[in-house]
Amino acid sequence: DVKVTQSSRYLVKRTGEKVFLECVQDMDHENMFWYRQDPGLGLRLIYFSYDVKMKEKGDIPEGYSVSREKKERFSLILESASTNQTSMYLCASSSFERPNEQFFGPGTRLTVL
Amino acid sequence: TQLLEQSPQFLSIQEGENLTVYCNSSSVFSSLQWYRQEPGEGPVLLVTVVTGGEVKKLKRLTFQFGDARKDSSLHITAAQPGDTGLYLCAGANAGGTSYGKLTFGQGTILTVHP
Repeated sequence: DVKVTQSSRYLVKRTGEKVFLECVQDMDHENMFWYRQDPGLGLRLIYFSYDVKMKEKGDIPEGYSVSREKKERFSLILESASTNQTSMYLCASSSFERPNEQFFGPGTRLTVL
Repeated sequence: TQLLEQSPQFLSIQEGENLTVYCNSSSVFSSLQWYRQEPGEGPVLLVTVVTGGEVKKLKRLTFQFGDARKDSSLHITAAQPGDTGLYLCAGANAGGTSYGKLTFGQGTILTVHP
């Protein structure tokens, strides 16, 4: 069964902390994505990557960075967490052949106090 | 920036009723995806529509892509409690290399009561 896994389902951090969210996929997909999901706003793209060490800004990259050192792993980093980054974070992956058909992880609900 | 307006935002119906969810934009999309998300899980892809006017059926779910590829609808016949969830439409940008960059609608929360 193909899978996208995320390192934590729930995370509570304090303002100013550095936060790492990890995502791993086992489908050998080229593309990986980080979204945040907030009520009434749908999913908003933070960053995406189409190859190892490659990254592109999405629609809301401010306050975030990413790292893709290996094909299967895509990390989202909050350098200095703020309360307005409290949200559900979803990781997704897709193949080069079918980039729009994305497979999602279960999400990480991050609370910043 | 491309926008997708999804309506209604909330839908609460009884088992056996029919419903339609709409996804509209002023932009043209190369394809449109529909996802369903259950509480505590990530979205799961239901269908992709690519051609203007295309209709796809998935059991009791019927998906249609508008002729101009700017809008789409999801129709559920004889809804069941198992259909409860958040339904999301997502459009892929027409033209250029998108690498799968999608624009998502705000979502429709569907509740089907037994």
